[in-house]
Amino acid sequence: GAGVSQSPSNKVTEKGKDVELRCDPISGHTALYWYRQSLGQGLEFLIYFQGNSAPDKSGLPSDRFSAERTGGSVSTLTIQRTQQEDSAVYLCASSFQSGGSYEQYFGPGTRLTVT
Amino acid sequence: GNSVTQMEGPVTLSEEAFLTINCTYTATGYPSLFWYVQYPGEGLQLLLKATKADDKGSNKGFEATYRKETTSFHLEKGSVQVSDSAVYFCALSGIYNQGGKLIFGQGTELSVKP
Repeated sequence: GAGVSQSPSNKVTEKGKDVELRCDPISGHTALYWYRQSLGQGLEFLIYFQGNSAPDKSGLPSDRFSAERTGGSVSTLTIQRTQQEDSAVYLCASSFQSGGSYEQYFGPGTRLTVT
Repeated sequence: GNSVTQMEGPVTLSEEAFLTINCTYTATGYPSLFWYVQYPGEGLQLLLKATKADDKGSNKGFEATYRKETTSFHLEKGSVQVSDSAVYFCALSGIYNQGGKLIFGQGTELSVKP
């Protein structure tokens, strides 16, 4: 079946511009996570959504970052006024439910380069 | 705070050698533990997991045992192949009141030579 998909696969943007990254989770998965993978910081949690509950935004690095999940499915991660340190691969994952024992399925990622 | 520490890479082995990648964790409560693998040019995928103390996760010849007394989850394989070359990430989740978000180690790059 279809896995987690992300778009675009690559994004190059100029410093100061806003970007939107999209994630389509596996159908039926109620939990959706965003992570960031960068050389300096490794893999970091950003935000997660579980059903209709308020999202856990504890990993967002600054108020320039925001995310929403519409209709309990597709999610968009928005970065405003991008900075060079935002350059990274942004990974989305989904799972049947949130909770430690549920496997997370990862998308291929969006590679963001801020010039 | 909650964290995962892995042995540093890169690790270079000859084919059929024995592999150990050390992983230790610090966490409150009783987390679940995972090994994820990232093959060159591919996305992260789950390799194995263990959800409680003394559980052994296994897959594709890899094994790891959840050791609460030593807070460890070391990855082992008896005979590595060239196709095992990848980056391996140890991770935990299921910390109280933190849902399923994963906390990752820094990753260990494995290179297997024929």
